[in-house]
Amino acid sequence: GDSVTQMEGPVTLSEEAFLTINCTYTATGYPSLFWYVQYPGEGLQLLLKATKADDKGSNKGFEATYRKETTSFHLEKGSVQVSDSAVYFCALSKTSYDKVIFGPGTSLSVIP
Amino acid sequence: NAGVMQNPRHLVRRRGQEARLRCSPMKGHSHVYWYRQLPEEGLKFMVYLQKENIIDESGMPKERFSAEFPKEGPSILRIQQVVRGDSAAYFCASSPGAGVTYEQYFGPGTRLTVT
Repeated sequence: GDSVTQMEGPVTLSEEAFLTINCTYTATGYPSLFWYVQYPGEGLQLLLKATKADDKGSNKGFEATYRKETTSFHLEKGSVQVSDSAVYFCALSKTSYDKVIFGPGTSLSVIP
Repeated sequence: NAGVMQNPRHLVRRRGQEARLRCSPMKGHSHVYWYRQLPEEGLKFMVYLQKENIIDESGMPKERFSAEFPKEGPSILRIQQVVRGDSAAYFCASSPGAGVTYEQYFGPGTRLTVT
């Protein structure tokens, strides 16, 4: 079945370091891809999305490119801040009204 | 425009009691989804509902769990005779519906603790 795999955490970085969180997916067809972020004690917020191959989603300095040839959607940020500490979930959805399938999440801690 | 609302935010139940979780979707949204986040795990889909209809319940446990989205009022996730393993965060999400790629908007979650 459809699934999402992402790098295991936790990830600890110093402020201003470069961030990459790897994400790969398995799905038939052309799913939409998402990154959600969950801050401590809160619900999920959509961080960015891409709906077709080679699309680049970006928001708040984060970006990810939909690579169909490698079935990947890696999250990157050039310079992380302490406020970026959260759990990041890679996810996919097959259609506009279908359930979202989440990866296991990657916990990020950014230290000053 | 208020976001997805869930209540209660925290719920404590003793084993064997019933838990009722409520979700009010965003204004104009007719599709509701429930997800469960077990400790140290990702979110797992449970059920997808439209007004008065269950569309996909493939993620719902076969027993003790039920969901509804009546014509009027919030969506309800009901867990009967709760057990310790039901302790989790339950998230509701809503979307406008089919047509284009609509992302789902998530509520803050209900954290259920079974003692």
